[in-house]
Amino acid sequence: GDSVTQMEGPVTLSEEAFLTINCTYTATGYPSLFWYVQYPGEGLQLLLKATKADDKGSNKGFEATYRKETTSFHLEKGSVQVSDSAVYFCALSDPRGATNKLIFGTGTLLAVQP
Amino acid sequence: DTAVSQTPKYLVTQMGNDKSIKCEQNLGHDTMYWYKQDSKKFLKIMFSYNNKELIINETVPNRFSPKSPDKAHLNLHINSLELGDSAVYFCASSPPFGAGYTFGSGTRLTVV
Repeated sequence: GDSVTQMEGPVTLSEEAFLTINCTYTATGYPSLFWYVQYPGEGLQLLLKATKADDKGSNKGFEATYRKETTSFHLEKGSVQVSDSAVYFCALSDPRGATNKLIFGTGTLLAVQP
Repeated sequence: DTAVSQTPKYLVTQMGNDKSIKCEQNLGHDTMYWYKQDSKKFLKIMFSYNNKELIINETVPNRFSPKSPDKAHLNLHINSLELGDSAVYFCASSPPFGAGYTFGSGTRLTVV
């Protein structure tokens, strides 16, 4: 079945460092891909998405490019801030499926130190 | 005005009790979901309703029963609570495919 694999955390960075969180997927079709962020004690918020190959999603300085050839959707940010500390989830859904089920990766905790 | 609201935010109860969690969305979405997040932050879908019709029913003990009185509400009732039910339960809603979900802020259930 469809699945998402994320790099294990925690990822600990200093403020203004470059961030990459790796995400790869397995899917039989052409899924839509998402990054969600969960701040401590809160629900998940959609950070960015891409619905077809070579699309780049971006928001709040974060970017991810849908790479069909490597089945990847890595999250990047050029300069992280303490306020970016959160758990980041990569997810996919198959738009051809009978449901809009989102399948999540295991999440990656990011801790940014001042 | 909260888009997806869940109540209660915290729920502490004893083993064997029955409890309900309520969810309401004001986004006009047709589809709603319940997800369970365990202590390691892993998220697993439990149920999904589309316009009051059950469309996803994952392998969940039948002590868990969703109810959707209308497309803006999806409640979760849990009978005979067990220690292993302790988790954070998230409600979400979505428009048609590819648009992503809007999540509620979660209900932290602790069974003692």
